[in-house]
Amino acid sequence: NAGVTQTPKFQVLKTGQSMTLQCAQDMNHEYMSWYRQDPGMGLRLIHYSVGAGITDQGEVPNGYNVSRSTTEDFPLRLLSAAPSQTSVYFCASSYQTGGENNEQFFGPGTRLTVL
Amino acid sequence: AQSVTQPDIHITVSEGASLELRCNYSYGATPYLFWYVQSPGQGLQLLLKYFSGDTLVQGIKGFEAEFKRSQSSFNLRKPSVHWSDAAEYFCAVGPGGTASKLTFGTGTRLQVTL
Repeated sequence: NAGVTQTPKFQVLKTGQSMTLQCAQDMNHEYMSWYRQDPGMGLRLIHYSVGAGITDQGEVPNGYNVSRSTTEDFPLRLLSAAPSQTSVYFCASSYQTGGENNEQFFGPGTRLTVL
Repeated sequence: AQSVTQPDIHITVSEGASLELRCNYSYGATPYLFWYVQSPGQGLQLLLKYFSGDTLVQGIKGFEAEFKRSQSSFNLRKPSVHWSDAAEYFCAVGPGGTASKLTFGTGTRLQVTL
């Protein structure tokens, strides 16, 4: 298993440009999510999905779009990048149901800089 | 709404000394609690988790944590710190029943002196 993969690892954008951060998992997890990590603020939930075709907003959704057409993929779109979106982005996945063996698996992250 | 507080932004300990990182949570029901570690430039690795049952949970790398419902705390401990433990540590709470929609604390950066 590759686990959770993210591309690209690094990206520099200019203000107003658009881009898509890719996330894929091969564990057949129903739940996938995107977090952003900023210094002194921990990780904050942007958007999440509980299955193909179902997405919802997290704590900081403004400026980001998501869709979930397959179980495996959960891309994050920035339609018009702003310097405030400079951050490290993490994708994560888990089973939706509970139980002691359940946990979220995190990707390696994408470091995004918006100039 | 759930929330997590990690009151210590930065902690320095000597190698071989004991360690305790504090975590306080707010959640209306029985929470799922997690500790993650992040080395510089890396992703997050799960150290341990609490779902129910025994309030003292053991994790990887010699870490343990104790769930205290009366104090709304889930502090992380290690009896003897190694230089390789230097990293940032995050406490997180999830709604009961799943490991999804985690709310993270702001993290505690651990520095280990030789």
